[in-house]
Amino acid sequence: GENVEQHPSTLSVQEGDSAVIKCTYSDSASNYFPWYKQELGKRPQLIIDIRSNVGEKKDQRIAVTLNKTAKHFSLHITETQPEDSAVYFCAASPPYWGKFQFGAGTQVVVTP
Amino acid sequence: NAGVTQTPKFQVLKTGQSMTLQCAQDMNHNSMYWYRQDPGMGLRLIYYSASEGTTDKGEVPNGYNVSRLNKREFSLRLESAAPSQTSVYFCASSEYNNEQFFGPGTRLTVL
Repeated sequence: GENVEQHPSTLSVQEGDSAVIKCTYSDSASNYFPWYKQELGKRPQLIIDIRSNVGEKKDQRIAVTLNKTAKHFSLHITETQPEDSAVYFCAASPPYWGKFQFGAGTQVVVTP
Repeated sequence: NAGVTQTPKFQVLKTGQSMTLQCAQDMNHNSMYWYRQDPGMGLRLIYYSASEGTTDKGEVPNGYNVSRLNKREFSLRLESAAPSQTSVYFCASSEYNNEQFFGPGTRLTVL
């Protein structure tokens, strides 16, 4: 089955700096890679996703890059703000149906 | 649209008691999932239902059973609760290989 590793487990950044979270996956058949943000006490919510036929996707301050050959994908947050503080999860999903394998999560703390 | 709803929001059980967590979605999704999330940990899949009429085990199915009642509803049952099942339980739904939408979660404590 799919195995997803996520690094780092915690990330502390100064407001305005960039944050990068990296994930690797094992199943070359995986073709959908979402990123979820979970604020304290809330449900996970999708912030950006990418499919395997695309190398990069951007949405305002958030971007995701995918390297299929190396089987890794990354989340980039630019100009971080205190409201970016949360736990971020990556996931990988094969094409046949929607079973995700989630990474262990990254706690991001943005200090003013 | 309510999205994915879960009941109850909170529950305290004694060891050995049973209960059913309810989940419903109004997005006409085929696939539904049950996860548990322990403090400081990620999401672990308990059971899933790829489509109405099918269910299958995930990563941590021991101690749980599920029922896909119809396309909208997917319940999770604890037959004999144990302290190790203290966790936050999330239900989610998706249209196959697309975004999963999560419910608000159920915080379960087993004493």
